[in-house]
Amino acid sequence: GESVGLHLPTLSVQEGDNSIINCAYSNSASDYFIWYKQESGKGPQFIIDIRSNMDKRQGQRVTVLLNKTVKHLSLQIAATQPGDSAVYFCADYTGTASKLTFGTGTRLQVTL
Amino acid sequence: KAGVTQTPRYLIKTRGQQVTLSCSPISGHRSVSWYQQTPGQGLQFLFEYFSETQRNKGNFPGRFSGRQFSNSRSEMNVSTLELGDSALYLCASSLGQGNSPLHFGNGTRLTVT
Repeated sequence: GESVGLHLPTLSVQEGDNSIINCAYSNSASDYFIWYKQESGKGPQFIIDIRSNMDKRQGQRVTVLLNKTVKHLSLQIAATQPGDSAVYFCADYTGTASKLTFGTGTRLQVTL
Repeated sequence: KAGVTQTPRYLIKTRGQQVTLSCSPISGHRSVSWYQQTPGQGLQFLFEYFSETQRNKGNFPGRFSGRQFSNSRSEMNVSTLELGDSALYLCASSLGQGNSPLHFGNGTRLTVT
């Protein structure tokens, strides 16, 4: 069945460095993608989204890249801060299914 | 604007009992979805309600049910609880039309003993 997966379960970066979190999806019909951040004891928090007719979208310190050819999504965090430490999930959405399919998550650890 | 509110935050139940979880969506959001989060299975979709109608359902047994009220508030019910139902249950709301992001609450942590 369709699945959304992540390449790395844990990513450790130094404060101030840039972070890149990758995600592969399998459903070629997916037309909307979202990145979420989940801190301990909290629900997933919306970070940024991108539609399938785009290949790049920027937010505050974050950029999402979408490569539909290889069905790959990435989240780039600039100047990573200790507050960025969390688990990051990618999720894809197919309009007809009206549900999100989540990846397994990547834990981002920011070292000082 | 207030976020998604879930109550209670924690629940401890015994096998065989039933439980009802509550969710209040963001004002103006008509879609409410429920997800189960466990360390082993990750985030899994339970069901989605839009304007009081179940619009989509995940692959969970019939013991898991839900409903949505006219004010968009939603409840989910789990009957005949099993140990494997222990999880974080997350509610998310959205506008429900087109590609609009889901906004999650902080969940209800259910422990079945």
